Amino acid sequence: SAVISQKPSRDICQRGTSLTIQCQVDSQVTMMFWYRQQPGQSLTLIATANQGSEATYESGFVIDKFPISRPNLTFSTLTVSNMSPEDSSIYLCSVEDAGNEKLFFGSGTQLSVL
Amino acid sequence: GIQVEQSPPDLILQEGANSTLRCNFSDSVNNLQWFHQNPWGQLINLFYIPSGTKQNGRLSATTVATERYSLLYISSSQTTDSGVYFCAVLMNTGFQKLVFGTGTRLLVSP
Repeated sequence: SAVISQKPSRDICQRGTSLTIQCQVDSQVTMMFWYRQQPGQSLTLIATANQGSEATYESGFVIDKFPISRPNLTFSTLTVSNMSPEDSSIYLCSVEDAGNEKLFFGSGTQLSVL
Repeated sequence: GIQVEQSPPDLILQEGANSTLRCNFSDSVNNLQWFHQNPWGQLINLFYIPSGTKQNGRLSATTVATERYSLLYISSSQTTDSGVYFCAVLMNTGFQKLVFGTGTRLLVSP
């Protein structure tokens, strides 16, 4: 299975600022996924990031708020822009295992916005 | 969209007990996975099980796709089994999007 490194692991940010989360995979993958987990809730897909094309966002998520970069097949970033306390969540990146659609996750970024 | 409901929402067990977690989904799927989120937030993939039965140590899972449910069995539970268990499904629409269930929060006490 892929090894996924995500950083930062946690951060406390001020309202109105932006935070960029990095996700590095130890193997080349076609698609990377970004999820949000609000406190005590399940996971919700933010967007799917393919290398060389713009990310595909789910309903309720927009590029201006959550810009995503995917410069190569092993790396992606998610930026949470103009943050408010409602953005306090765990943000997770994930990838599919080659050939079998099994999903693996990074360790997550715990974000608190004051 | 597809609805994925898990039961029970919360479960408290004494160490050594067995349990069954259930995942119901509202539409046909071609991919179902079970995950364990430990108390530190890390998500571990337990099973990829679109149909049939699989076993891994003290854990086993069964998916009956025609009846739209899956079960996760935990035998001889240990305190390290504590955390939240999620099922996630991929719809038969060709979209590569896993939809996560509501989760079951498990606490195993010594």
